[in-house]
Amino acid sequence: QKEVEQNSGPLSVPEGAIASLNCTYSDRVSQSFFWYRQYSGKSPELIMSIYSNGDKEDGRFTAQLNKASQYVSLLIRDSQPSDSATYLCAVNRHTGGFKTIFGAGTRLFVKA
Amino acid sequence: DTAVSQTPKYLVTQMGNDKSIKCEQNLGHDTMYWYKQDSKKFLKIMFSYNNKELIINETVPNRFSPKSPDKAHLNLHINSLELGDSAVYFCASSQGQGRDPNYGYTFGSGTRLTVV
Repeated sequence: QKEVEQNSGPLSVPEGAIASLNCTYSDRVSQSFFWYRQYSGKSPELIMSIYSNGDKEDGRFTAQLNKASQYVSLLIRDSQPSDSATYLCAVNRHTGGFKTIFGAGTRLFVKA
Repeated sequence: DTAVSQTPKYLVTQMGNDKSIKCEQNLGHDTMYWYKQDSKKFLKIMFSYNNKELIINETVPNRFSPKSPDKAHLNLHINSLELGDSAVYFCASSQGQGRDPNYGYTFGSGTRLTVV
């Protein structure tokens, strides 16, 4: 089992729809979680972080965390073509030494 | 005013050569990293330095040697380059080894290394 798993996609949604990106992690004691957006040919940039169970909203983005299910998600409301990118989930793992582990990313396409 | 800058952006070289990639951050962060991103976009940590001290040294060939002269700089030297070393290498920085849940990493723009 990979430490951080994401569906590689591509996930295709029409403009204006809600895009839902999911991530599961294996280290039960992980405490903080991050979503990065990476445009093709560019470097990852942080868009959201979350460490408490529940929802955290920032503009059109909502991060959701369920530690019991070891599940974190990112919702993008009113998706725009400019949201088309690869979204990387990252988890601060504490077991076996502190380290930030990245998932392989989900490619999102927003169709105009 | 670039936060994390790495050079060169592109590097094309022949097998067997030795090359270096340089990274500098002006954010005042105390931790710097080297990540390798392969063709499948998977980001894998290679090394991490906290205040010039090596704290993460993943299982990478010993042909790869990092060096941190001060906490604002982290360089990567690669000896005897192989075809399989072709990838994008990202430098990143964070404060407090990335433990603060409110802050993540700031990445450099990447170095695309092609070994021919």
